Amino acid sequence: KAGVTQTPRYLIKTRGQQVTLSCSPISGHRSVSWYQQTPGQGLQFLFEYFSETQRNKGNFPGRFSGRQFSNSRSEMNVSTLELGDSALYLCASRTFGSYEQYFGPGTRLTVT
Amino acid sequence: EDQVTQSPEALRLQEGESSSLNCSYTVSGLRGLFWYRQDPGKGPEFLFTLYSAGEEKEKERLKATLTKKESFLHITAPKPEDSATYLCAVQAIEVQGAQKLVFGQGTRLTINP
Repeated sequence: KAGVTQTPRYLIKTRGQQVTLSCSPISGHRSVSWYQQTPGQGLQFLFEYFSETQRNKGNFPGRFSGRQFSNSRSEMNVSTLELGDSALYLCASRTFGSYEQYFGPGTRLTVT
Repeated sequence: EDQVTQSPEALRLQEGESSSLNCSYTVSGLRGLFWYRQDPGKGPEFLFTLYSAGEEKEKERLKATLTKKESFLHITAPKPEDSATYLCAVQAIEVQGAQKLVFGQGTRLTINP
């Protein structure tokens, strides 16, 4: 069974721009979560989607948003990029009812 | 506020030298505790889920245990390929089955041949 896939794997953007990251969950997994990983803060929860609805949200500003499509694929958007948004963005999927999350390889975002 | 603390931050062992990693947590109602392994430049790889105090799980050279306040990841006779960052996370009880993992900062483990 294929794992979680994320595209693109690497991205370089300029401060003030916006970016969209994509995540395809494991087949049959309908829940998708997003996390930000930085050396200083570690892994931090952004939000979780299930059945195209946001189920939970972390403590991030409104510049961070997401959505989920009917095929369970998810996108995450960051507007008005700041230097501090440089991070590894990780997507994880699970079957609803199970708490075991499986992570993708991440998208490395660099903001200059 | 839910919190996870891992120790030590870094650990260097010789091949075959067994040791333990610690994960202490405070959470308002534990739904589950998770161990992940992360290699450089990759996403975390799921290892174990523990749900209640006294529970133990094993996989090859790894064994995870859980008490009411902490979890241990025991590594027996490690090999160089066990070198990685080991992450601990907790899942608190959330409404409507929602999930939000709170991660520790990780322990960076290096096994020298």
